[in-house]
Amino acid sequence: GAGVSQSPSNKVTEKGKDVELRCDPISGHTALYWYRQSLGQGLEFLIYFQGNSAPDKSGLPSDRFSAERTGGSVSTLTIQRTQQEDSAVYLCASSKPKPGQKNTEAFFGQGTRLTVV
Amino acid sequence: SQQGEEDPQALSIQEGENATMNCSYKTSINNLQWYRQNSGRGLVHLILIRSNEREKHSGRLRVTLDTSKKSSSLLITASRAADTASYFCATDGDSNYQLIWGAGTKLIIKP
Repeated sequence: GAGVSQSPSNKVTEKGKDVELRCDPISGHTALYWYRQSLGQGLEFLIYFQGNSAPDKSGLPSDRFSAERTGGSVSTLTIQRTQQEDSAVYLCASSKPKPGQKNTEAFFGQGTRLTVV
Repeated sequence: SQQGEEDPQALSIQEGENATMNCSYKTSINNLQWYRQNSGRGLVHLILIRSNEREKHSGRLRVTLDTSKKSSSLLITASRAADTASYFCATDGDSNYQLIWGAGTKLIIKP
């Protein structure tokens, strides 16, 4: 596809269950971000992948959260033993950093709305 | 720590009027970006302004950057109902890559 694709678009899960959220970035984009957004709030950085470099996991809120990016493309964000406070929209974005530029335009998916009941 | 902070938090104006939103940040930057978000879902990039630029235009959008005051403004002229959305600024700060976001300005255009 032409844009960043996230699935599922909505997920309702029971407290204590594990969930996996998927992000398919734009082809050729080496940078991939995961963010979390609670209702009416700004974006909370979770994790960043860039090429083959070690990911920056500094934003992950607890060890229940993990993410991987296989083959430099698709990424999966996993939340284990979900809690009600994990309820939020999880947004994925990708970008293609240009030589000499530290940041370029980020392209976002439509997000996954996670509800933990 | 939050880098960008937008104000006002919410803005409601009549269609046709101009809307101005502001963003302040704390550290030196390489560039600053503005994004729009409809209905709490994916964000759409509007404009990027580099630290050596003072003003940039894109259609009905005008962005200014004052690095001495560590602030930026986004002006939307001749607002339309379709401009109703939340607007966020993002900066890179001291990071090599991480975009740091403010909490956004919620803009409502009344018909």
